[in-house]
Amino acid sequence: RKEVEQDPGPFNVPEGATVAFNCTYSNSASQSFFWYRQDCRKEPKLLMSVYSSGNEDGRFTAQLNRASQYISLLIRDSKLSDSATYLCVVNPGDSNYQLIWGAGTKLIIKP
Amino acid sequence: DTAVSQTPKYLVTQMGNDKSIKCEQNLGHDTMYWYKQDSKKFLKIMFSYNNKELIINETVPNRFSPKSPDKAHLNLHINSLELGDSAVYFCASSQALPGLAGDTQYFGPGTRLTVL
Repeated sequence: RKEVEQDPGPFNVPEGATVAFNCTYSNSASQSFFWYRQDCRKEPKLLMSVYSSGNEDGRFTAQLNRASQYISLLIRDSKLSDSATYLCVVNPGDSNYQLIWGAGTKLIIKP
Repeated sequence: DTAVSQTPKYLVTQMGNDKSIKCEQNLGHDTMYWYKQDSKKFLKIMFSYNNKELIINETVPNRFSPKSPDKAHLNLHINSLELGDSAVYFCASSQALPGLAGDTQYFGPGTRLTVL
C-alpha cells in the first residue's frame, strides 16, 4: 500500500458545482497534513494546512478523519481558476523530517 | 521579488554532461530542499539542508551532489547525466523542519531538465 494515495482523476466538474476528493494515508502516527495545488507546468503552492479535525478557508474546506486515516478537500462554487492538480501531503511525524507527497488529483472545471 | 528562485528554468543537454542548477531564497528560511518530479508527477525528496547542514539524503545516485554555501542558497550539481535524469527539479524552502511550526514549504518555479 502506498503511503499516501489519491484518485488521480481527472474530475470533470461544471463551474459552480461542489467537488470533493479524498486522500488516504497509511501511517496512523502521521501528525500534520497539507493540501497543495499545482497548476500545469508550475510549482506546487500551499492551499491549506490541516492540523486538527479540519479547517475552512472561503470556498475550501479540508477535513481530517484520523480513525479512517484520510483527509478530504471540498471545493464549493467551483471556478474555472480552480482547475489544477491537488496534492495531498502528509507529515509522518518521524525523525526523517520528510513530507510524503501524493501523486495528485487532477481537477478540470468546465464552463 | 521572487521568494524562491531557480536558474536555469530550462536545461537541455547531452548524456554524459555535467550540469548545475542554482537555487536562492530571500525568505530568511533555515531549511531548503531539492525535489524531483518525474513524468508521472510524483514529487520525490532528494536532499534537504537545515542551516547549511545536510539532514535528508535520499537514495539518489551519487552523481547528484548538493551544495549549500549559505542558508539562502542550495545548488544541485549533476555529473554524467543520463536519460532517466530528465524531469522537473524543484527547489523549496521552509522556516522550520517538517512537523514544527513554520514548516510550510515554498517552491521555486522549477528547472525542466531534458537529457538527450
